[in-house]
Amino acid sequence: AQKITQTQPGMFVQEKEAVTLDCTYDTSDPSYGLFWYKQPSSGEMIFLIYQGSYDQQNATEGRYSLNFQKARKSANLVISASQLGDSAMYFCAMREYDAGNQFYFGTGTSLTVIP
Amino acid sequence: DGGITQSPKYLFRKEGQNVTLSCEQNLNHDAMYWYRQDPGQGLRLIYYSQIVNDFQKGDIAEGYSVSREKKESFPLTVTSAQKNPTAFYLCASSSGTGRYQPQHFGDGTRLSIL
Repeated sequence: AQKITQTQPGMFVQEKEAVTLDCTYDTSDPSYGLFWYKQPSSGEMIFLIYQGSYDQQNATEGRYSLNFQKARKSANLVISASQLGDSAMYFCAMREYDAGNQFYFGTGTSLTVIP
Repeated sequence: DGGITQSPKYLFRKEGQNVTLSCEQNLNHDAMYWYRQDPGQGLRLIYYSQIVNDFQKGDIAEGYSVSREKKESFPLTVTSAQKNPTAFYLCASSSGTGRYQPQHFGDGTRLSIL
């Protein structure tokens, strides 16, 4: 079974609008971390935000927030007030306590911001 | 500034040739990783290392080899056994403690066959 599932291969959003990128995960480990990365066309992977499995509140970092629904095993990324520079690939990832240092990545969502 | 340095940025391989991709980090991280990314695809794990002189195969280790003789360095060799090496290769590191610590990535190496 896939550890991380991103079902949206491509998304479009109007500039200044908000957009939600979906991520669901599969784990039986009660202790894990969830991460989102941005990959612009230049290729580097930029860490955006993380959420710990025991965190009570949703994580926020500037215009990024993580909508964490533990019972549904979802960790959606919300980008508010989209900018042209947000156009990129976005990857969801998970790190399990029992898996040591191994990370699991989704297949990514390509976001295009339309002027 | 602390970070991960990958070199070269672009690399070309001839048929039957082994090539080595360099990855150096000064973040004092215990764990290091190599990923392969094909166009429009996600990341696939090649090898990872949790401590010096130890490493584990990932999902697509065939045709690749690594070493971890120093904490700071984790070079990847793409051998002639790897028949389709053209891809983007990313090196990453993470703290060995604090399971909520993210991975930090280098800028990648683009490998092509001549």
